[in-house]
Amino acid sequence: SQQGEEDPQALSIQEGENATMNCSYKTSINNLQWYRQNSGRGLVHLILIRSNEREKHSGRLRVTLDTSKKSSSLLITASRAADTASYFCATGVQGAQKLVFGQGTRLTINP
Amino acid sequence: SQTIHQWPATLVQPVGSPLSLECTVEGTSNPNLYWYRQAAGRGLQLLFYSVGIGQISSEVPQNLSASRPQDRQFILSSKKLLLSDSGFYLCAWSVNTLNNSPLHFGNGTRLTVT
Repeated sequence: SQQGEEDPQALSIQEGENATMNCSYKTSINNLQWYRQNSGRGLVHLILIRSNEREKHSGRLRVTLDTSKKSSSLLITASRAADTASYFCATGVQGAQKLVFGQGTRLTINP
Repeated sequence: SQTIHQWPATLVQPVGSPLSLECTVEGTSNPNLYWYRQAAGRGLQLLFYSVGIGQISSEVPQNLSASRPQDRQFILSSKKLLLSDSGFYLCAWSVNTLNNSPLHFGNGTRLTVT
């Protein structure tokens, strides 16, 4: 069954604005990861946050994790047209070497 | 550096025909290997994963099967394709740890069953 669910399903903003995507999950996790997918391509790993971490930064990306609410958010600051893509959260299942992906958020950055 | 190769990039097959998709990884040893399927505009569904040669975990009952004949080779097969098997198939690898390491994806195979 799907573990991570992203919200919103689609997001369209102007270049330069910040984009925030949310992810909720159901069970205990080792870590939570965010991926990016350009149309018709494979996914690319962006950032990993462990279950004992609350916030992590990488360049223009900021990820938060609230294990009490079983939720995470991905913030992209100062968005660029090249950020247009689908973004997925994936949860590392405790006790199993696999990741379960959500449905993704389609982000469109308008120039 | 590590690379992952997945082929073919696109495939059109008639219903009832067999399928064989191949994925190979270079530059690493004993990786975890994964097959995911993505329907149009949807998320990824985990089909199979493997933590070692000959070790296959199946996530979804279906008419697909997977094999790992060599350490860095992962094959997805079907004896008879169904229309519902159409989709975007993605192979991925990760470091073999217990801590859910990041996945590295191939460029995918778009399968259309007609």
